[in-house]
Amino acid sequence: DVKVTQSSRYLVKRTGEKVFLECVQDMDHENMFWYRQDPGLGLRLIYFSYDVKMKEKGDIPEGYSVSREKKERFSLILESASTNQTSMYLCASSLGFLGSNEKLFFGSGTQLSVL
Amino acid sequence: GENVEQHPSTLSVQEGDSAVIKCTYSDSASNYFPWYKQELGKGPQLIIDIRSNVGEKKDQRIAVTLNKTAKHFSLHITETQPEDSAVYFCAASYGNNRLAFGKGNQVVVIP
Repeated sequence: DVKVTQSSRYLVKRTGEKVFLECVQDMDHENMFWYRQDPGLGLRLIYFSYDVKMKEKGDIPEGYSVSREKKERFSLILESASTNQTSMYLCASSLGFLGSNEKLFFGSGTQLSVL
Repeated sequence: GENVEQHPSTLSVQEGDSAVIKCTYSDSASNYFPWYKQELGKGPQLIIDIRSNVGEKKDQRIAVTLNKTAKHFSLHITETQPEDSAVYFCAASYGNNRLAFGKGNQVVVIP
């Protein structure tokens, strides 16, 4: 089975801090994604990566950046955390492009609170 | 981009009854429609998906139907059990390697 592992289940940070959320997948997947999940808003795509060092903006990239130095690891960076970035962050991966014959697999999520 | 609407937002059913969740989408080019189940404290888990070249797909107690003309698709759960209680998300593919998700549907199965 595919395993997508997010390093922290809960995280509490202060406004203005630089925050790193880490995600690792063990199935040699090409694509990795970061979503945020908020009550009543569903899942919204922040960034995704289709190859090492390649990235593409999602629907809500403002205030975030990403890093993919190795195929199995995809990091989400909050350069200066703000209270409106308090949310559940979900990492996901897929072997190939969605919409072809591939499926998206999620990690368990990181609940980030920015105080 | 794609807009996915999901309704109802909350659904309560008696154990053993059927549950149906409906989603509509806006992009006629969408060709992949997965459904995810999210239990409390866990990430979403893929339970079934359908591609635009078929109208229906079934996996034990779960089925999904797709009407491309009307741009809607539905999840059907038969003989519901307490472990079916969860939040269910529909999604539709769009653009370059993206999925647009509905806002989620809380299903409560009453024993």
